[in-house]
Amino acid sequence: TQLLEQSPQFLSIQEGENLTVYCNSSSVFSSLQWYRQEPGEGPVLLVTVVTGGEVKKLKRLTFQFGDARKDSSLHITAAQPGDTGLYLCAVLGGSGTYKYIFGTGTRLKVLA
Amino acid sequence: EAQVTQNPRYLITVTGKKLTVTCSQNMNHEYMSWYRQDPGLGLRQIYYSMNVEVTDKGDVPEGYKVSRKEKRNFPLILESPSPNQTSLYFCASSRTGAGNTIYFGEGSWLTVV
Repeated sequence: TQLLEQSPQFLSIQEGENLTVYCNSSSVFSSLQWYRQEPGEGPVLLVTVVTGGEVKKLKRLTFQFGDARKDSSLHITAAQPGDTGLYLCAVLGGSGTYKYIFGTGTRLKVLA
Repeated sequence: EAQVTQNPRYLITVTGKKLTVTCSQNMNHEYMSWYRQDPGLGLRQIYYSMNVEVTDKGDVPEGYKVSRKEKRNFPLILESPSPNQTSLYFCASSRTGAGNTIYFGEGSWLTVV
């Protein structure tokens, strides 16, 4: 099974700080998704990136897909307490399968 | 409102007592799947279904069964639950399996004692 490794696993920062979360694999993917999960709820899609090198912005969140389509990063500028949650990257398993693989997750806590 | 509904949300059961977690979506999605979420292991796919009567194993199918007799429903069956199946379970759906947005249910907390 292909692995999606996310780092860091945990992150606790003060409001207003910047942070970057990483999602890495040794495999190439046709697309990659980022989800955020809040306590007691299911994950919610933030973005899908499909092109190597692609950068997408969602307000204070910037997503980048690696040139080789093996990795991705999520950068949050001026984090706010509302950004607190579990951030997950996800890909289709590839090789003709429709299995979804999720990363291990980064649990972010933004302190006011 | 577009949603994925799963029941029960919370369940404590005993080892060996068969149980079914229901899942229903109202978006006419072809693709449905089940996941379990465990601390340190993330979200792992149990089974998925590309359409009615088409199901396939995910990464952790052992101990689970599914069926897809209707497009909107995708129940998860634990024939003989064991304590290692204690977990948070999510049902999800998407328009197709090809990288579309996945919509998740609110989760079902299952404890097997």
